[in-house]
Amino acid sequence: DQQVKQNSPSLSVQEGRISILNCDYTNSMFDYFLWYKKYPAEGPTFLISISSIKDKNEDGRFTVFLNKSAKHLSLHIVPSQPGDSAVYFCAASAGGNKLVFGAGTILRVKS
Amino acid sequence: EPEVTQTPSHQVTQMGQEVILRCVPISNHLYFYWYRQILGQKVEFLVSFYNNEISEKSEIFDDQFSVERPDGSNFTLKIRSTKLEDSAMYFCASSGGQDEQYFGPGTRLTVT
Repeated sequence: DQQVKQNSPSLSVQEGRISILNCDYTNSMFDYFLWYKKYPAEGPTFLISISSIKDKNEDGRFTVFLNKSAKHLSLHIVPSQPGDSAVYFCAASAGGNKLVFGAGTILRVKS
Repeated sequence: EPEVTQTPSHQVTQMGQEVILRCVPISNHLYFYWYRQILGQKVEFLVSFYNNEISEKSEIFDDQFSVERPDGSNFTLKIRSTKLEDSAMYFCASSGGQDEQYFGPGTRLTVT
């Protein structure tokens, strides 16, 4: 099931710089997209979401951009902090039902 | 801040045994979910539950699995006869509407 893809297994960023995590999807029925952050041995923590009727949503240091025509979304974290180091999952749903997750991207923020 | 809780944090069981994983969703939420993550793989959906019945289930959720909301607070996942391949992290989630889902810390199930 490759409906949600995160093609970068890992990303390394210097503290203070911008982190950009990318996600692609194939199912045009998806209408709600979410980003979760996960530390080892913990559950996914909700970060930010976006509805398909929007192209941008911002919450503090986190901004999600949605490009529906390209079926692509991205999460921008600025400025990046060492505490942001974690696995980031993109997820999508159609009609508010089950979440379909990507494989995750490991973000390392170096101080 | 309200949170989803899960017990136990780690369960070890022998193949063929029954296990019950427990979850307490956020109190005013109406939608409940179970997901699992096998080591090295994606988080995958198992089942969703609303209004005291299953609303959707995946192919993984076969007759060995069942869910129940025995009272006003708990939400349980039962695996009737565990297999080695059931070893995974099991996450419970809840949502107030058809929007963001909030996850518990997970139960690590090890089947030997």
